[in-house]
Amino acid sequence: DQQVKQNSPSLSVQEGRISILNCDYTNSMFDYFLWYKKYPAEGPTFLISISSIKDKNEDGRFTVFLNKSAKHLSLHIVPSQPGDSAVYFCAANTRTGGFKTIFGAGTRLFVKA
Amino acid sequence: ETGVTQTPRHLVMGMTNKKSLKCEQHLGHNAMYWYKQSAKKPLELMFVYNFKEQTENNSVPSRFSPECPNSSHLFLHLHTLQPEDSALYLCASSQGDTLDTQYFGPGTRLTVL
Repeated sequence: DQQVKQNSPSLSVQEGRISILNCDYTNSMFDYFLWYKKYPAEGPTFLISISSIKDKNEDGRFTVFLNKSAKHLSLHIVPSQPGDSAVYFCAANTRTGGFKTIFGAGTRLFVKA
Repeated sequence: ETGVTQTPRHLVMGMTNKKSLKCEQHLGHNAMYWYKQSAKKPLELMFVYNFKEQTENNSVPSRFSPECPNSSHLFLHLHTLQPEDSALYLCASSQGDTLDTQYFGPGTRLTVL
């Protein structure tokens, strides 16, 4: 049973428009959420995170929104650029969970020029 | 060398072979991780080492045997694998527990014939 779900395997967006990647989780104990980005032939790299005490965190073109009641988070990229084309992984863990981060299956984003 | 490196990048092995994957981190981190990524599935945490001590074993079959001789090096010894073990194996490191950002290596693409 997947505790972190990314239900869209892929997403295609025009350059300059907004990309919205979604993630749902089932474990209400999760209190820290992360997004990682992965290019082909490279390992995932950390993009942005959010603690459960917040509902929004922004870093440049990237904003993560957290809706705890719906157990849903989303990553907004605006404006989208062709270099943003990659696989995006949502991840979650708990402050008492030690070293265990749970990842989603990823969403492949295509940004068309 | 900087970051997290993994060797080999690609490995093809038969079911009766014994091979090892190597990971090295040059970031001065204390924790190291092995993940498995199968096609269209979430990253699966396999093992975690913190200060050379194993803190997580996520019900991994004994045909996978980790070794952490020091905080900078992590090995995954493989023997009598099955074709379904074919996957991308990613190593990561972090300064502390998973509330700290994990830094990933590029992965080893393993094919078991």
